[in-house]
Amino acid sequence: EAEVAQSPRYKITEKSQAVAFWCDPISGHATLYWYRQILGQGPELLVQFQDESVVDDSQLPKDRFSAERLKGVDSTLKIQPAELGDSAMYLCASSWGQSEQYFGPGTRLTVT
Amino acid sequence: GQQVMQIPQYQHVQEGEDFTTYCNSSTTLSNIQWYKQRPGGHPVFLIQLVKSGEVKKQKRLTFQFGEAKKNSSLHITATQTTDVGTYFCAVSGGYNKLIFGAGTRLAVHP
Repeated sequence: EAEVAQSPRYKITEKSQAVAFWCDPISGHATLYWYRQILGQGPELLVQFQDESVVDDSQLPKDRFSAERLKGVDSTLKIQPAELGDSAMYLCASSWGQSEQYFGPGTRLTVT
Repeated sequence: GQQVMQIPQYQHVQEGEDFTTYCNSSTTLSNIQWYKQRPGGHPVFLIQLVKSGEVKKQKRLTFQFGEAKKNSSLHITATQTTDVGTYFCAVSGGYNKLIFGAGTRLAVHP
């Protein structure tokens, strides 16, 4: 069964450093999502792509976070500089139209 | 913006007991989805409800959508240790966008 791939699975970084996460959605899924999940809470949408275009980035802290999906396939989420409060699980998901979302295994970020 | 309240936050049951989690909205929902996240895992889609009063079953899981489409429930009959995890409801926040509830964490003791 096709899966959403994410890397790295774990990342430890010092505050003020840059960090990047990668996501490869299920083939054919035009919509790609990046979520942040703090322990004990539900996933919170950071950015949503339809093909290569950003559809929603209203909750993305744009002073330090950036996301791109240049060819409308895989995507990168970057944080620069990282802050202690950015420690969380970063989940990527993809979907085909207005259907269920398929999540990747996530990247657990720890900022020290 | 759209918000959804999920209760309870946490439920601890003995294996074999039933479990129910509720999701409530102040506004009418177009649809609602349910996801399960195992400890250390990622959310996995369970079901989508669209119609008013809809009831769907998956083995021991029963999902309901309220008549007014403002609430939903997930009921598990005779819980098993494999049911452990956090159950999230998610509602539409716009074009393909989902807003997740805070989740109900289920612990099952054998």
